[in-house]
Amino acid sequence: QSVLTQPPSASGTPGQRVTISCSGSSSNIGSNAVNWYQQLPGTAPKLLIYSNNQRPSGVPDRFSGSKSGTSASLAISGLQSEDEADYYCAAWDDTLIGVFGGGTKLTVL
Amino acid sequence: QITLKESGPTLVRPTQTLTLTCTFSGFSLSTSGVGVGWLRQPPGKALEWLALIYWIDDKRYSPSLKSRLTITKDTSKNQVVLTMTNMEPVDTATYYCAHRQGAYSTLNFDYWGQGTLVTVSS
Repeated sequence: QSVLTQPPSASGTPGQRVTISCSGSSSNIGSNAVNWYQQLPGTAPKLLIYSNNQRPSGVPDRFSGSKSGTSASLAISGLQSEDEADYYCAAWDDTLIGVFGGGTKLTVL
Repeated sequence: QITLKESGPTLVRPTQTLTLTCTFSGFSLSTSGVGVGWLRQPPGKALEWLALIYWIDDKRYSPSLKSRLTITKDTSKNQVVLTMTNMEPVDTATYYCAHRQGAYSTLNFDYWGQGTLVTVSS
């Protein structure tokens, strides 16, 4: 049982906009930055979004993050086939531990 | 550029102790703000954060595994070692080490090792 709650799956067609939600609590998302990771099949995770809405160098601006209260969202616009992957949200918790979501498998139809 | 690589046994017997080494380059674990974490992912399952060590040798552990985990660093060798005692089959997973930098309470792992699959079986 993951501390952060994500939908297990999401899907969209090429060109569509898809959002993935991440729900937490006041001790994690509510008071600390949210990060998003993309994991392509058979590879290590990659940092996609940090500090709620910042993109590391090289991440397309099709990916965006937002946070409100104890929830966060990852949005992918102009969906592409190569976006098919697992997506994880993560945050620090004030109990001094790291917490992850259970992951969302994105399928591009 | 920053690189990390995990090394250790691929097969561990139940009740044994697992020792994994993360050897890195491109940064120093004595630099302010730097940390190295360990995470794992059982086959087909979600990522799980295990432990984190900071440049000042402060250490954090997953509460559910804290009694079994020890994380240490050797700055001169550019290595971070994770030991996990009393291994069980449910600990079978790909284990990753990763670099983070910045504010103390952030979980932004920006560089990852390739991961190493550890199987626990008799």
